[in-house]
Amino acid sequence: GESVGLHLPTLSVQEGDNSIINCAYSNSASDYFIWYKQESGKGPQFIIDIRSNMDKRQGQRVTVLLNKTVKHLSLQIAATQPGDSAVYFCAENRRSDNDMRFGAGTRLTVKP
Amino acid sequence: DAGVIQSPRHEVTEMGQEVTLRCKPISGHDYLFWYRQTMMRGLELLIYFNNNVPIDDSGMPEDRFSAKMPNASFSTLKIQPSEPRDSAVYFCASSHARGYTFGSGTRLTVV
Repeated sequence: GESVGLHLPTLSVQEGDNSIINCAYSNSASDYFIWYKQESGKGPQFIIDIRSNMDKRQGQRVTVLLNKTVKHLSLQIAATQPGDSAVYFCAENRRSDNDMRFGAGTRLTVKP
Repeated sequence: DAGVIQSPRHEVTEMGQEVTLRCKPISGHDYLFWYRQTMMRGLELLIYFNNNVPIDDSGMPEDRFSAKMPNASFSTLKIQPSEPRDSAVYFCASSHARGYTFGSGTRLTVV
């Protein structure tokens, strides 16, 4: 079946470096994507979203890139901080239904 | 806004007992979702409601699981009888548009 998946299960970066977390999706009908951050003991928290009519969206220290040709999504975190350590999930959604499908998650560890 | 409120935060129960998880969505949100999170399966959608009506329950594992939404401000997920393999963190989320807000989850342990 169609699914959302992640390339890397873990990522370790040095504090101050930039982080890139990748996600592949297989459903070409998906038209809305969200990145979530989940800290230990908490629920997933919205970071940034992007619609399929865009290929880039920027927030505060975060940028999401969407490549529809290869069905690839990435989250870039600038100047990574210890507080960014968490599991990051990408999720996809189709206009035809409202349920969000989540990838497996990538654990980001920031070393001081 | 207090966000999505789930209770209890932790639940430990014996196999065979009934378990009821509760959720209060954000006021004004017309969609409510129940997810289960485990190390093996990640985040799985169990069921979701729109305007208190169940829309898709295809993710509910089996008949032991049931969910209700009697009004716009309250939903329950019930497991009867519970089994050790039901141990997981159960999240409730609500939305008005296409982004979700999650609760803090209920960590269920069935022994």
